[in-house]
Amino acid sequence: GIQVEQSPPDLILQEGANSTLRCNFSDSVNNLQWFHQNPWGQLINLFYIPSGTKQNGRLSATTVATERYSLLYISSSQTTDSGVYFCPVLRMDSNYQLIWGAGTKLIIKP
Amino acid sequence: ETGVTQSPTHLIKTRGQQVTLRCSSQSGHNTVSWYQQALGQGPQFIFQYYREEENGRGNFPPRFSGLQFPNYSSELNVNALELDDSALYLCASTPRDQKVADTQYFGPGTRLTVL
Repeated sequence: GIQVEQSPPDLILQEGANSTLRCNFSDSVNNLQWFHQNPWGQLINLFYIPSGTKQNGRLSATTVATERYSLLYISSSQTTDSGVYFCPVLRMDSNYQLIWGAGTKLIIKP
Repeated sequence: ETGVTQSPTHLIKTRGQQVTLRCSSQSGHNTVSWYQQALGQGPQFIFQYYREEENGRGNFPPRFSGLQFPNYSSELNVNALELDDSALYLCASTPRDQKVADTQYFGPGTRLTVL
C-alpha cells in the first residue's frame, strides 16, 4: 500500500526560528493535507493542498505531486507551534481512507 | 474549536472487557470516521459511517464495531479488549456532501488504557 514518510522525525528549535518539514509519499494520491496535533491530542487542519502552494500567516505549504512530496514551512516559530505535524494522503482508489505517516514532532523552546 | 466532542476523555479498562466510546458531530455532518492512534504513531483508519451505514473499513478485526445515529452522534464499540488496544481514539466528521478527505473536523479524542 501507499507509504507516507515524514522528516525529520523530531525537531527542536528556539522561538523565532524558521523550519521546513517534509512529507514524501510513495504513490499518486488524490489529495494531501497538513494537520497540527497539539500536545493535548487535538488535530487541527492547516492546509488542504493536493498541489501548488498555499500560505496562511506564518505557515505555508507546497506540494509537488509529480515528484511525490510536500513541504510545510513555519516561519518565526512560537511555542504554540509545538506538537506533531502530519500530512495524510488519500489513495487514488479510495474516497475516504486517509493514510498517515508517523509525523514530525516539533518542540519550540522559549 | 472544531464542533466535535468525544466522551469520555480518559478510560481505563481491563483485558477482555468491552468499551463504548462516543462522538458528537456538528449538525449536518453526515459522515463520521474513527481512528486509532497508538503512542508515537499516526492515526490508523478504523471505519467510516455515512448516514448510519458503514461506508468503509480499515484493517481492524470485527470486534471493533460502530453505530451512527440520526442526531449526528456516533459510537465506537470494542469487544474483548486487548492490551494493544490502548491508544487515543479519534473521531472526525465531514460536512454534508463534501468529500471526506477535503474537510475533516477532529474531536479531542478518548485515551483508552487497557490493563
